[in-house]
Amino acid sequence: AQRVTQPEKLLSVFKGAPVELKCNYSYSGSPELFWYVQYSRQRLQLLLRHISRESIKGFTADLNKGETSFHLKKPFAQEEDSAMYYCALYTGGFKTIFGAGTRLFVKA
Amino acid sequence: EAGVTQFPSHSVIEKGQTVTLRCDPISGHDNLYWYRRVMGKEIKFLLHFVKESKQDESGMPNNRFLAERTGGTYSTLKVQPAELEDSGVYFCASSQDIRGEQFFGPGTRLTVL
Repeated sequence: AQRVTQPEKLLSVFKGAPVELKCNYSYSGSPELFWYVQYSRQRLQLLLRHISRESIKGFTADLNKGETSFHLKKPFAQEEDSAMYYCALYTGGFKTIFGAGTRLFVKA
Repeated sequence: EAGVTQFPSHSVIEKGQTVTLRCDPISGHDNLYWYRRVMGKEIKFLLHFVKESKQDESGMPNNRFLAERTGGTYSTLKVQPAELEDSGVYFCASSQDIRGEQFFGPGTRLTVL
């Protein structure tokens, strides 16, 4: 079955601490993975995708096919990173599958 | 460019009534998607249009839901008759390419009483 799992509903860290939001996927084909973010009172928007290998707002994510993971990391969290983060899997058809999301709260 | 727009932003209806949600994608985007988020759960795919054609409607919950995209521009999602479990936030997104970034609308919050 095609599935995206984000095991943490809420992640709370202090400003300046490292942060890692976990994402695991289940897909038999070659996956394309994305991280979307929704800041308070804003729309859901793309943060990064694995094929572009970018670092956006200090966040990076590496696709690990062996562990079927695509964890989102940032070495030093900022208060403005507080948001809802969704991992998403494009399965090659016409469907994108989203995880349940992780709410990141960065404390001052 | 206003981005993807959705109307209404909120809708409160009684069980058994009909509601129609509208989505206007970004101009030129052939791909249009509908999603739903029920409280505390994942953003669930409902269906995908390419222009006016439904390419994948495997996520539609049942035949009380009907989506259309006449002329390949805006899309409507009608729920008839609405049930309590239909409550949630309905998102629309559009993209130029099927593998590309999806641009989301602000969502319509539907409450069925």
